[in-house]
Amino acid sequence: DAGVTQSPTHLIKTRGQQVTLRCSPKSGHDTVSWYQQALGQGPQFIFQYYEEEERQRGNFPDRFSGHQFPNYSSELNVNALLLGDSALYLCASSSFSTNEKLFFGSGTQLSVL
Amino acid sequence: AQSVTQLDSQVPVFEEAPVELRCNYSSSVSVYLFWYVQYPNQGLQLLLKYLSGSTLVESINGFEAEFNKSQTSFHLRKPSVHISDTAEYFCAVSHTGGFKTIFGAGTRLFVKA
Repeated sequence: DAGVTQSPTHLIKTRGQQVTLRCSPKSGHDTVSWYQQALGQGPQFIFQYYEEEERQRGNFPDRFSGHQFPNYSSELNVNALLLGDSALYLCASSSFSTNEKLFFGSGTQLSVL
Repeated sequence: AQSVTQLDSQVPVFEEAPVELRCNYSSSVSVYLFWYVQYPNQGLQLLLKYLSGSTLVESINGFEAEFNKSQTSFHLRKPSVHISDTAEYFCAVSHTGGFKTIFGAGTRLFVKA
């Protein structure tokens, strides 16, 4: 049983570019949450997707957007990249009805130069 | 709004000594409480959780945490730490129904020989 998988593992972009990160949830999970973890800090909630809709959103600008597909996989898109967007982006899956715990992927390390 | 405060950013301790990592939360509703652990260059893994019932919860590797509703705390303890326990530990809060999980800033546990 595969856990949460994220791609790519590392990414280097320049300011102003756009990036798409991908996530496949754990089998049986229907909810995907995205987090940004800056160096030395805790994960910051970006948004959560359930039934292909954004259900909740953290304090992130509209440059951050996402999508969930019918197979529950998800994408995180970031437009007009800033240096401050450099971070580890974590995807977590869960069951919407129970929300008893999150299963995390290993993350995508994004560096913006 | 929910929030989590981890009172110590770093905790150095000698091997086989006891340790306590402190966590306080705020919420206007009943909560689920979690401790996650993050080893270098990895995603987060669930260490233990409190959903309901007994206020003392334990993990398989000797950690325990006690939910104290009156003090809004969920401190993590281990009576005797090992070198392999060196990692970043995150306290988190959520509640049922797919509500977002909020993380603290983390406590870096450094176990010295």
